[in-house]
Formats: sequence, C-alpha cells, structure tokens
Amino acid sequence: QKEVEQDPGPLSVPEGAIVSLNCTYSNSAFQYFMWYRQYSRKGPELLMYTYSSGNKEDGRFTAQVDKSSKYISLFIRDSQPSDSATYLCAMRTSGSRLTFGEGTQLTVNP
Amino acid sequence: SQTIHQWPATLVQPVGSPLSLECTVEGTSNPNLYWYRQAAGRGLQLLFYSVGIGQISSEVPQNLSASRPQDRQFILSSKKLLLSDSGFYLCAWRGVGELFFGEGSRLTVL
Repeated sequence: QKEVEQDPGPLSVPEGAIVSLNCTYSNSAFQYFMWYRQYSRKGPELLMYTYSSGNKEDGRFTAQVDKSSKYISLFIRDSQPSDSATYLCAMRTSGSRLTFGEGTQLTVNP
Repeated sequence: SQTIHQWPATLVQPVGSPLSLECTVEGTSNPNLYWYRQAAGRGLQLLFYSVGIGQISSEVPQNLSASRPQDRQFILSSKKLLLSDSGFYLCAWRGVGELFFGEGSRLTVL
C-alpha cells in the first residue's frame, strides 16, 4: 500500500466550477501538508502549505487537512482555464523528506 | 530572492551515451539539494539528495550518479544511458516552507 494515495483523474470541469482534489494517507505521523501545481513540461510550484489540521485559504484556493481521517483536500473556487495543470499533494513528518502523491490532472474548459 | 536553474531543458541521447544534467541555486548558501525523476503519468521519485559539498545520498540503486562539486551546484550523471533512464528530471532545493523545483530536464533515450 502506498503511503499517499491520490486520484489520478483526469478531471475535466467547465470554467467557473468548484474543483475538489483529494489525497489520503496512511502515516499518522505526517504533520506538514502541501499542494504543488505543475503545468505541462514545467517543474512543480508550491501552491499551498499547511501544518497539522484545519483550513488555509489563499484567494480562490483552500487547503483542508483532516488528520483524524488522514485526508487532505484542495478546493479551487471559480476555476479558470489557467488552473489547468497537474496537482500534486505532498506531506512529511517533522524530520522526513516529502512523500508525494502521483498527481491529479485537471482541465478547466472555457 | 532565491532562484534555481536547471539545464539542458531537453535532450535526446542514444543508448549507451553519457549524461550530465546541471543544477545551480542562487540567493542562498548551503542548501539541501535534490534530484527527482518523474516518469509519464507517475509521481516523483527521489533519486539523490545532498546536504553539502561532496555529500550525496542515493535513494534508489540505478544507472545514475550525482555529485556536488560546489555549494550551490548539483550534477546528475550517467556513464551509459539505458532506455529506462528516459524521463523528466527535476532538481529542487529545500527552502523555508518546502521544496522549490527547477524547470526540469526532459531526457529521451533512443
């Protein structure tokens, strides 16, 4: 069993839709949770960073962590064609290296 | 501000030929540096990481090697490429927050 599971998609939505991207994990010691966005043929860029449980909002993006369920989510409101990319979740303990999900490919259609 | 540069962006190499991918980081000193490989439709696989000059840790036994001749320079090499070495190679450094990636090098071995 993989430590981090992420639905690979692909996910296709119309412009303006609310998008929900999700990851589950098995290691209860994970404390730091990240979302990266990767455009085609580019390196991943850090999008959201959260510590422990709770929500974090940045513009149209909201990251949510539920440690009791070992489940993290990224919500995108009012999705735009420019949000079309692959989204990677990543997480780690206080002293470990990052463990990545395999990424969800998202397409937002105009 | 910190920046990371990676080159070449794209290369096509025959089986059995050597490889050298370079990565440099600017705007920081003694960074932790990483090489990842991303196969098509798959997640990120950590290949090597380095905490300082001449210090290399290998995560996966393979046909590749890494070196860190200078504080902010990280090199990925191979003496003889295999078909299975094809992929998207990403250099990253560990900053405040989390990993920051270069633009990637796409390698096709024919």
